[in-house]
Amino acid sequence: TQLLEQSPQFLSIQEGENLTVYCNSSSVFSSLQWYRQEPGEGPVLLVTVVTGGEVKKLKRLTFQFGDARKDSSLHITAAQPGDTGLYLCAGGRNNLFFGTGTRLTVIP
Amino acid sequence: NAGVTQTPKFRILKIGQSMTLQCAQDMNHNYMYWYRQDPGMGLKLIYYSVGAGITDKGEVPNGYNVSRSTTEDFPLRLELAAPSQTSVYFCASSLSGGDTEAFFGQGTRLTVV
Repeated sequence: TQLLEQSPQFLSIQEGENLTVYCNSSSVFSSLQWYRQEPGEGPVLLVTVVTGGEVKKLKRLTFQFGDARKDSSLHITAAQPGDTGLYLCAGGRNNLFFGTGTRLTVIP
Repeated sequence: NAGVTQTPKFRILKIGQSMTLQCAQDMNHNYMYWYRQDPGMGLKLIYYSVGAGITDKGEVPNGYNVSRSTTEDFPLRLELAAPSQTSVYFCASSLSGGDTEAFFGQGTRLTVV
């Protein structure tokens, strides 16, 4: 099992603040994915990072893949209430393991 | 396209009963997965399949069985339901392995009483 640990587990911030979510593993991944899940729904893919050191931007979200391909981070700039949800990193080869999750609440 | 379809959406089982959760995808994806998600937690991989006729265990396979006789269908069987199996179950599919986008069904909320 490739364990993916996320931190923090819970995050509650005011609208307009910045935040960073971390995803760490002792294993090397060929790629890592980030998903967002809203209540009552399945996760939806945000981004896939595939190259060590890669940085990808999706509007106010910035994703980074560690140089050693064992970790990744998600940074949100000027968080909005619509960013509220469960953020999950995931990785695998013939399978897909998910991280422990970060539940983000953005307070208006 | 319907994507990934799970049935039923909700189910209450008594301890010791059995049931099958259905999952079907119409995207011709080779890879399919079953996860369980406990309240406030991430997803735990139960079983996965890399193609018709091939299945393998994930992180938490005990108490479950799967089969993959066609590319489209990947049912999950619960034998002798226990309260610890109360959870939300998600089925997903992807074109290839963990480096391609996984598409999820709407989930099945199962309660064992």
